Amino acid sequence: DQQVKQNSPSLSVQEGRISILNCDYTNSMFDYFLWYKKYPAEGPTFLISISSIKDKNEDGRFTVFLNKSAKHLSLHIVPSQPGDSAVYFCAATWGTNAGKSTFGDGTTLTVKP
Amino acid sequence: DAGVTQSPTHLIKTRGQQVTLRCSPKSGHDTVSWYQQALGQGPQFIFQYYEEEERQRGNFPDRFSGHQFPNYSSELNVNALLLGDSALYLCASTNRGAPLHFGNGTRLTVT
Repeated sequence: DQQVKQNSPSLSVQEGRISILNCDYTNSMFDYFLWYKKYPAEGPTFLISISSIKDKNEDGRFTVFLNKSAKHLSLHIVPSQPGDSAVYFCAATWGTNAGKSTFGDGTTLTVKP
Repeated sequence: DAGVTQSPTHLIKTRGQQVTLRCSPKSGHDTVSWYQQALGQGPQFIFQYYEEEERQRGNFPDRFSGHQFPNYSSELNVNALLLGDSALYLCASTNRGAPLHFGNGTRLTVT
């Protein structure tokens, strides 16, 4: 039973447009959510996070939205840049212990110049 | 400031053998977590070490064991290797409450 799901394996957008990556979770115990970005041959790198007490967190071009009732979160990238092309993983945990996180299977984002 | 370093980068083993993977955490971090990433999937939590003890464990068999040393570095050991153990093994370090910092992983191939 996959507790964190990223239902879109891939997404392609034009440079300058908005990228929206989605993530759904099933475990109501999760209260801390993170997004990681992964380039080929590198480990994932932390991008942005959100606590369940918030519904939005913004960091530059990246915004994460959390809808607790729907158990859904999304990552918005505006404007998208070719350097954003990577695999994006959604992760969830509880008690802000990011050490034990449950990851989705990732969405490959391609930003076309 | 060195990030998380893992060794070796690649490894080929035969079914039934044993393997040891190594990890040095980011400077200032005291907690190490290990993840297994199969092809096309997200990282799966194996276990977490803090103060030289296993603190949390994911759904992995006892063939997977680990160790943390006084300098916070860590080892992952896998006994009686199966073909299905072929994967990218990621080490990540953190301080409590902080996001994970990952190494570039060890690619294990079991033949």
